[in-house]
Amino acid sequence: EAEVAQSPRYKITEKSQAVAFWCDPISGHATLYWYRQILGQGPELLVQFQDESVVDDSQLPKDRFSAERLKGVDSTLKIQPAELGDSAMYLCASTNRTSGRAEQFFGPGTRLTVL
Amino acid sequence: SQQGEEDPQALSIQEGENATMNCSYKTSINNLQWYRQNSGRGLVHLILIRSNEREKHSGRLRVTLDTSKKSSSLLITASRAADTASYFCATDPRGSEKLVFGKGTKLTVNP
Repeated sequence: EAEVAQSPRYKITEKSQAVAFWCDPISGHATLYWYRQILGQGPELLVQFQDESVVDDSQLPKDRFSAERLKGVDSTLKIQPAELGDSAMYLCASTNRTSGRAEQFFGPGTRLTVL
Repeated sequence: SQQGEEDPQALSIQEGENATMNCSYKTSINNLQWYRQNSGRGLVHLILIRSNEREKHSGRLRVTLDTSKKSSSLLITASRAADTASYFCATDPRGSEKLVFGKGTKLTVNP
């Protein structure tokens, strides 16, 4: 069964350093999402892509976060510089809305710890 | 901000018992979904109920939706230790393509 791939699974960094996360959605899924999940909370949307275009980045802290999906397939989320409050799980999800189905398929996540 | 609020925040039951989790939300929706998350892992979609549906079943899962009260419930029957996880409701607000998640219910099923 096709899955969403994410790497790395774990990342430890010091504050002020740059970090990058990678996501490869399920083949054929045009819509890709990046979520941040703080321990004990539900996921919160950071950015949504439709193919290579950003649909919603209203909750993305643009002073330090950036996201791209250059060829409309895989995606990278970057934080520069990282802050202590960025420690969280970063989840990527994809969906194929053109099929009429709304459920999202999640990757295993990247656990970020900022020291 | 998070639209859904699950209740209770935590639930501990014995294997074989039923588990009921509730979700309330604030705005009109296209559909409501329930997801499961095992500790430290990604979310897995369980079931979706559309705004014009009132009840839906999938195996040991039963979901109800009351749009007049803006609430939903998830019932897991004959629970198993493997059901131990956090359960999240997520709404698909009208006019939006994104999901808004609640804070989740942490379910522990004791063998």
